[in-house]
Amino acid sequence: NAGVTQTPKFRVLKTGQSMTLLCAQDMNHEYMYWYRQDPGMGLRLIHYSVGEGTTAKGEVPDGYNVSRLKKQNFLLGLESAAPSQTSVYFCASSQTLMRTEAFFGQGTRLTVV
Amino acid sequence: KQEVTQIPAALSVPEGENLVLNCSFTDSAIYNLQWFRQDPGKGLTSLLLIQSSQREQTSGRLNASLDKSSGRSTLYIAASQPGDSATYLCASLLSNSGYALNFGKGTSLLVTP
Repeated sequence: NAGVTQTPKFRVLKTGQSMTLLCAQDMNHEYMYWYRQDPGMGLRLIHYSVGEGTTAKGEVPDGYNVSRLKKQNFLLGLESAAPSQTSVYFCASSQTLMRTEAFFGQGTRLTVV
Repeated sequence: KQEVTQIPAALSVPEGENLVLNCSFTDSAIYNLQWFRQDPGKGLTSLLLIQSSQREQTSGRLNASLDKSSGRSTLYIAASQPGDSATYLCASLLSNSGYALNFGKGTSLLVTP
């Protein structure tokens, strides 16, 4: 079972460059999320989606955009990367909001220089 | 904003010991509370999910309890093994916070042979 797959696993960007992180889940889950994990800060929600074609802002959305054109995919975009976006990014999915657990991908380690 | 605190931040125990990890939260209006395990450089794996109406959940050597009134959850690990070494995170889902899981910063557990 693949579960939640993130691409790429590692990336180094120069300040101002753009990139897209891809998250794919094969569990037919409705809800998908993007978190970032920083030392001393814990995990914080960037954006989320409650179904195909929907997106919404989380706790720290500035500098990021997302799209969910297909139910199984959730894309996170950085239009102009900044050093403050150096972090580990995790995608997660869940079947329902309240009654089922969240499944996480393996993470993308992004460094912006 | 929900504050989730995990104590201790780090713990080292000899193999075979029973241990308790603590999680406290400031807002008791939660839908559920989840415990996750994170291995170095890896994603999060869901261990146990406790709904707000439940008092505890068990899976193998793991038992998680929830006391909403006091804002506390504990994860009990019986007969610890070196393979249990990881960071353990708790996260709550507030009933009025939209869709964000509020994470603690984790307890780093080392089980020595």
